[in-house]
Amino acid sequence: KQEVTQIPAALSVPEGENLVLNCSFTDSAIYNLQWFRQDPGKGLTSLLLIQSSQREQTSGRLNASLDKSSGRSTLYIAASQPGDSATYLCAVKSSNDYKLSFGAGTTVTVRA
Amino acid sequence: EAGVVQSPRYKIIEKKQPVAFWCNPISGHNTLYWYLQNLGQGPELLIRYENEEAVDDSQLPKDRFSAERLKGVDSTLKIQPAELGDSAVYLCASSSGASTGELFFGEGSRLTVL
Repeated sequence: KQEVTQIPAALSVPEGENLVLNCSFTDSAIYNLQWFRQDPGKGLTSLLLIQSSQREQTSGRLNASLDKSSGRSTLYIAASQPGDSATYLCAVKSSNDYKLSFGAGTTVTVRA
Repeated sequence: EAGVVQSPRYKIIEKKQPVAFWCNPISGHNTLYWYLQNLGQGPELLIRYENEEAVDDSQLPKDRFSAERLKGVDSTLKIQPAELGDSAVYLCASSSGASTGELFFGEGSRLTVL
């Protein structure tokens, strides 16, 4: 069974600092990995999708890397802003059964 | 383009009462998912549909939960009877394909069982 871990569970940084969010998974047989953002009381918003054949994806201030062999992904958010405060979840899709396994998320607070 | 639409956003019921949630996926998305999310945790899959076929319902508590996706478009998730432990957010998501497709989520339906 795929296990997805996100450490730390919570993170607080001053505005302008770069954010580094980690995601690790136990089974490297994956189709893709997706990063989501969730605001309180809201659904999940897709940020980046990395296919298993890719090493990284970029969108604006966001960059996500994938090292499938070591079971790790990192989400980088450059020059953080208070509006980046949210919970960030990673999800890994198994190539065996298409199941999407989520981490519990990292809750980020960016202080003005 | 409209995203995934869910209703109701909030529902408060007494235990043992029935409740139903509705989801309309993004147009053209054949794959539809229902997830359950408890506070402070990641979503957990309840059921996945490919068109109108439930291809993965292994995590659905079938004694009280049921789902349908008639005509392969919108879907309904029902709980009868509801228990206190069912209080959670029920999320619907859709994608263009089960394998490599990106998932898009609705706003969720928050259920409180008293």
